[in-house]
Parts: sequence; C-alpha cells; structure tokens
Amino acid sequence: QSALTQPPSASGSPGQSVTFSCTGTSSDVGGYNSVSWYQQHPGKAPKLMIYDVTKRPSGVPDRFSGSKSGNTASLTVSGLQAEDEGDYYCSSYAGSNNLVFGGGTKLTVL
Amino acid sequence: QVQLVESGGGVVQPGRSLRLSCAASGFSFNSYGMHWVRQAPGKGLEWVAVIYYDGSNKYYADSVKGRFTVSRDNSKSTLDLQMNSLRVEDTAIYYCARDQSGAWAFDYWGQGTLITVSS
Repeated sequence: QSALTQPPSASGSPGQSVTFSCTGTSSDVGGYNSVSWYQQHPGKAPKLMIYDVTKRPSGVPDRFSGSKSGNTASLTVSGLQAEDEGDYYCSSYAGSNNLVFGGGTKLTVL
Repeated sequence: QVQLVESGGGVVQPGRSLRLSCAASGFSFNSYGMHWVRQAPGKGLEWVAVIYYDGSNKYYADSVKGRFTVSRDNSKSTLDLQMNSLRVEDTAIYYCARDQSGAWAFDYWGQGTLITVSS
C-alpha cells in the first residue's frame, strides 16, 4: 500500500488560512470516509485534529476543518496562530484492515 | 484521564527480538481497539498493527507481517508488541494508540518508545 501524497511544506502568516492536501486513490481516500488528520509538534506524539473526514474531537478549535473530494482530502486551518506550527499527517483506512498515512506537511507560521 | 505508557525500547542487534508493552489507564481498555504506529527518525508515521477490543482479530502492515505479533491482556489493561527478526529499517519510535470508535482514528497516543536496531 503506497503512502498518501502530501506536499512537504506549507506556510502562512498569523491570521491567514492555509489548506493542506492529501491525495490517495479510490482504494483509500476515495473509497472510505475514514480520513483523519494529526498535528505533531517536535518530540511529541501526534494529536488527532480531524476524523471521519470532517469531524473534530472535543477540544480541537473550530479553526480546523476537513473535507474530501474524490481521492483528495483537505485540512484547512483558519486564523493561523503561532502554536499551529508543526507537522500535519493525514491517514485513511485502505480496506482489508489496513491504514495508510501521508508523508506529512510541515507548516511554518511566518 | 486517559494515559498510555509504552516501555521496552532500547538498542538491539539485527535478527534479534524485543517486546514492547503499553500500559493503559483512565478508560475501559476492553472496549477499544488498539494500534501500534511507528515513526522512523525524521520520517513520517507508519501504521504497524491493530488488535480488536477483545483480541479476536489482529492485522499487520505488510512490512512487519510474520515478524511482529500484537497481543493484549484486558485483565491488566496492557498491550504488547512482540518483534522478532528485527531489521535495521525497524528503527523507529513506536507509539501505542487508542482507536477512537473503530474508524481507524487514534484519539490518544502514548509518548512513544525508541527502538534502535543496529549492529
């Protein structure tokens, strides 16, 4: 199973919005509504930000939103804040009890 | 509060074995599927294995199939990963993670334990 495709980097200024993409295939992203997004700060464990494509766990600010179109999922962070800086990973259920992650996008808040 | 604490990491030679453990607390461990996810130094996340809430089903990534075995003891709220025939490419931080709702989304993670496979 190949990894999902994410751009390696993204950036934005405080207050701006940034959108991350996560491209897979009809066997993973396009075939299931089990796309999740994780935020990871250096030296820390990942944190779940979005699950089931659009759902936010309690405690995650509504500045974070998810969507999907075809084989591509997206995470949008609105009103960028300095603490949003970090690595963002998408994941998708890929059938047959298998999960695939994306390679990650490093967000820099300018 | 939910806590997951991994242990068992260290340095091991290629071809040898190692057993990781994850101690869970703060939730009904026997109600949740549990996963292992790893992250090679400076690299992205890689799913490793899942075990259903009752231990009835276990599945593995192709990269570890036949070498790693996941197990759980619901009476002790512990999750284990037996790793055999270790390879240099198994070097990574290994995280245990709780499956939020069977949707393959991980809402709680341990702090991770580092495995270094090197001669």
